[in-house]
Parts: sequence; structure tokens; C-alpha cells
Amino acid sequence: DAKTTQPTSMDCAEGRAANLPCNHSTISGNEYVYWYRQIHSQGPQYIIHGLKNNETNEMASLIITEDRKSSTLILPHATLRDTAVYYCIVKTDSWGKLQFGAGTQVVVTP
Amino acid sequence: DVKVTQSSRYLVKRTGEKVFLECVQDMDHENMFWYRQDPGLGLRLIYFSYDVKMKEKGDIPEGYSVSREKKERFSLILESASTNQTSMYLCASTLKNIQYFGAGTRLSVL
Repeated sequence: DAKTTQPTSMDCAEGRAANLPCNHSTISGNEYVYWYRQIHSQGPQYIIHGLKNNETNEMASLIITEDRKSSTLILPHATLRDTAVYYCIVKTDSWGKLQFGAGTQVVVTP
Repeated sequence: DVKVTQSSRYLVKRTGEKVFLECVQDMDHENMFWYRQDPGLGLRLIYFSYDVKMKEKGDIPEGYSVSREKKERFSLILESASTNQTSMYLCASTLKNIQYFGAGTRLSVL
């Protein structure tokens, strides 16, 4: 599975959009981009995933560049409860193990 | 709503005790996983199961065993708990290529 690179941390003001970048320059054609988040001392929570088209659900939007070498997770209106570590994962297997990198610590401030 | 339930959020056990961690999903998922998560080491796969009575070793199975007698339940067993098994244990199951996690069990072995 391809390796991903994310910023270590970022701050976001409550009510503003949070844009979380992820670089996955070695992604293969059949690998999906998944995003999870983990609030302190809780289990990881699935957010969204995509192959090459942009995706949106009730939690977030996922924008994947045309060359698929990078993506951005967008939280449209950040709240304090969005403070968490966000993980970008690229994987092929439909049900294989997940491997989390260090992720991005997002802190939403009032 | 997808629901993966772990029996305990916090457990304290003594060295040498036999420990059972239970995980139940109510979505008829076939694939279930046990991970442990430690600071600086990320998520590590202990065991997984793709069907009733089927199990496969993950990356760090030593000191652990599993049981899957019914589709909805996947148990992790620490045969003789040791202090280096103090960790956050996470259960996950897969639906439509997405892994959903339980809330986690924080186990302390004294």
C-alpha cells in the first residue's frame, strides 16, 4: 500500500472550513484514499473514502487531484468536537489491515 | 448506524491473569479484526477473521489467541497477561470495504 504524508498539526477556527492535505504520490491505480479520525482515547471513526472522483457525505468532502497524487479532506464548518487526529490512508485490499501513519492533529478553537 | 461494541472501555488486570476482550457487531459482517494501538507505534494487527471459526495471524500474534464461534462475536484472549500487553485494544469489522471500529478497550496490566 502507498505511503502518505500529512502535516503534523493544524489549527482551525470554529465555524470555518478545515482543509486537511494528504500527499500520496506513489498511489497505484486501484488504491483508494480513506480518511479516518480519532478523538482522544476513542476508537478511530471512518469519515470518507474515494478512488478518483470527489466525494461528499454528511461529515466531509474529499477532493482528489486529477493525477491522484494528493487529496484534501474538507470539514465545511468545523466545531470543537472535530478536534482529533486525522489519518489519510491509501490501500488496495478491500478488507485488509489498516495502517495509520502519524496523522494530522487538528485543534479547533473557539 | 454501524455498531461495533467492545465489552469494556477500561480494564485493569494482574500479571499472569487470563484476559478476555469481547467484540460484537450487529451488521452481519464477515471480516473482523483485533488491533492494538501504542504511542509512536501506530496501529498493529494482532489477529483477524474472515468467517466463523476462521482466524489468521496478524503482525503481532504472540501472547494472544482469538475465538470466533459466532459471526457477530470475535474475542481476543490474553493467555497470561504481561505488563508489555498494556495497551489500547481496538476491534474492527468490515462492511462494503470500510472498516468500522469499536470504542476501544484500554487495558492496564500491573
